[in-house]
Amino acid sequence: AQSVTQLGSHVSVSEGALVLLRCNYSSSVPPYLFWYVQYPNQGLQLLLKYTTGATLVKGINGFEAEFKKSETSFHLTKPSAHMSDAAEYFCAVSESGGSYIPTFGRGTSLIVHP
Amino acid sequence: SQTIHQWPATLVQPVGSPLSLECTVEGTSNPNLYWYRQAAGRGLQLLFYSVGIGQISSEVPQNLSASRPQDRQFILSSKKLLLSDSGFYLCACKTGPGNTIYFGEGSWLTVV
Repeated sequence: AQSVTQLGSHVSVSEGALVLLRCNYSSSVPPYLFWYVQYPNQGLQLLLKYTTGATLVKGINGFEAEFKKSETSFHLTKPSAHMSDAAEYFCAVSESGGSYIPTFGRGTSLIVHP
Repeated sequence: SQTIHQWPATLVQPVGSPLSLECTVEGTSNPNLYWYRQAAGRGLQLLFYSVGIGQISSEVPQNLSASRPQDRQFILSSKKLLLSDSGFYLCACKTGPGNTIYFGEGSWLTVV
């Protein structure tokens, strides 16, 4: 069985500050890991994903995440927050093989202050 | 790349009325299709998924149903809506190698 925990339902940062959104997962097999962003009243947009290979993954809008197997984590970071980054962020895990049904975290709302 | 269309985008329906939300996918064939619901302030709840025409798996027992009459068409229905059916409904698809799921723009349902 797979599960995802996103620590903090809300994260508040100042514009220009580091963004760190935390995600921990559990999976009985090697996982595929994803981060999605959702702007108000819109669908989810894929930010980045880890499947195999390099553990540091770069995505759109300057975001990146690092897969750390020993810590079962896949935290999302961005060096400098922009006002336009304010949105809901979802971490998801799916297992290689199987029915390809990902499990989503409950989401973290990123608030960016001017 | 695939494009996912959902309609209607917004819907206000009285309690007890029927529902039909439609999702179509372009740019791919034989996708896995999914319906999710997102209640206000909550995460994503998987309602149904389909790996092929006429093949529907239900994840949560409720008064909703899903159908897949064509390869790239996925319909979410209800015969009688409840207030608790209100929410944001998202259609998603997985296609090709890898496990990435892509989402449509969503449909807002308000049951009054």
